[in-house]
Amino acid sequence: DTEVTQTPKHLVMGMTNKKSLKCEQHMGHRAMYWYKQKAKKPPELMFVYSYEKLSINESVPSRFSPECPNSSLLNLHLHALQPEDSALYLCASCPGTGNTDTQYFGPGTRLTVL
Amino acid sequence: QKEVEQNSGPLSVPEGAIASLNCTYSDRGSQSFFWYRQYSGKSPELIMSIYSNGDKEDGRFTAQLNKASQYVSLLIRDSQPSDSATYLCAVNKAGNNRKLIWGLGTSLAVNP
Repeated sequence: DTEVTQTPKHLVMGMTNKKSLKCEQHMGHRAMYWYKQKAKKPPELMFVYSYEKLSINESVPSRFSPECPNSSLLNLHLHALQPEDSALYLCASCPGTGNTDTQYFGPGTRLTVL
Repeated sequence: QKEVEQNSGPLSVPEGAIASLNCTYSDRGSQSFFWYRQYSGKSPELIMSIYSNGDKEDGRFTAQLNKASQYVSLLIRDSQPSDSATYLCAVNKAGNNRKLIWGLGTSLAVNP
């Protein structure tokens, strides 16, 4: 089973709202990722957690705040977003134990900021 | 030079033909190479991974890797309309297994 789940599927929020995106995997993977993807562009890496510790932060604005409560869960807290933050937000996981790790993606959350 | 380059397309092939998708990369230290398929509005789906020079076949899909030429390709045999999608090439960043460098994708249209 290579399933990564994400909730919600769609989210509409105002610029003053606070919301969270959730990601879960039960494959025993030890690395989890957040990506942002705009239309007709490849995924853009935001954060990587490895063994529940933040290992990569691609200079993402502080209005995006990641959290990894345990090895199966990954959250992305959103606050004071801008309309240009509207995008497909993708979670991915990989085993995190080897040199040839494959990333598996969840279905994504389509975020619209009004 | 971009780190990972793909022809943007669209690549149009008739149903039943072979579709050939190409990708070049700049970092000789890269070790892992991936092809993802992405339908419009959906998330990327892994099609193939390849790590050694040569061919790797899985059903109708064949990935080919040539590290000397820094080239990786994906062949789709007996193309079907359901193969119409954007194909993304991704290469691991040398020295960092956790990070992928992505091409811009090639749009494939398979015409019935």
